[in-house]
Amino acid sequence: AQSVSQHNHHVILSEAASLELGCNYSYGGTVNLFWYVQYPGQHLQLLLKYFSGDPLVKGIKGFEAEFIKSKFSFNLRKPSVQWSDTAEYFCAVRGLSGGYNKLIFGAGTRLAVHP
Amino acid sequence: SQTIHQWPATLVQPVGSPLSLECTVEGTSNPNLYWYRQAAGRGLQLLFYSVGIGQISSEVPQNLSASRPQDRQFILSSKKLLLSDSGFYLCAWSPPGTTGNTEAFFGQGTRLTVV
Repeated sequence: AQSVSQHNHHVILSEAASLELGCNYSYGGTVNLFWYVQYPGQHLQLLLKYFSGDPLVKGIKGFEAEFIKSKFSFNLRKPSVQWSDTAEYFCAVRGLSGGYNKLIFGAGTRLAVHP
Repeated sequence: SQTIHQWPATLVQPVGSPLSLECTVEGTSNPNLYWYRQAAGRGLQLLFYSVGIGQISSEVPQNLSASRPQDRQFILSSKKLLLSDSGFYLCAWSPPGTTGNTEAFFGQGTRLTVV
């Protein structure tokens, strides 16, 4: 069965610090991978996605993520965070084998960035 | 362009009362539709997903049911609400097909409080 694990539930950083949020998934076949972000009081929005090709994908607001197939990982990174990056971040995976269309999310990571 | 509508935004219901949350998508045909519940510390839990009219897959045994009476309408229901049904419910859609390579788009959500 599909599953997604996010290692950090709460992360606190100072502005300009580097960020890496871990995400591992469990699925034996081809996958689509996503990071979504939810800013306080706002709805979920897509940060970046991986479908195929270059395993290093770049998203909005300076975020990037690297798909490492051998590790079943899709970690999110940003070299220098800003106060406005305070939000909850969700990793998600869709397994593509057998006609599945389920989009499964991790538990989320709450990021607080202090000025 | 495609839009997703979810209502109501907030709902307070007594224990034992019925529930009906509605979600509609405009601007696309035969979308994949999803109902999620978002709980603190547990991320987004997939409740139901549908790849077509009358086709509903249930992910979590519970007090809720889903129906898709029309192509772009997805309804979350309960005959008798429990206190544990309180939470934030999100509807989402993704383009049709089983080949993946698509992201999901979320509604604004419904905050349900069962009292």
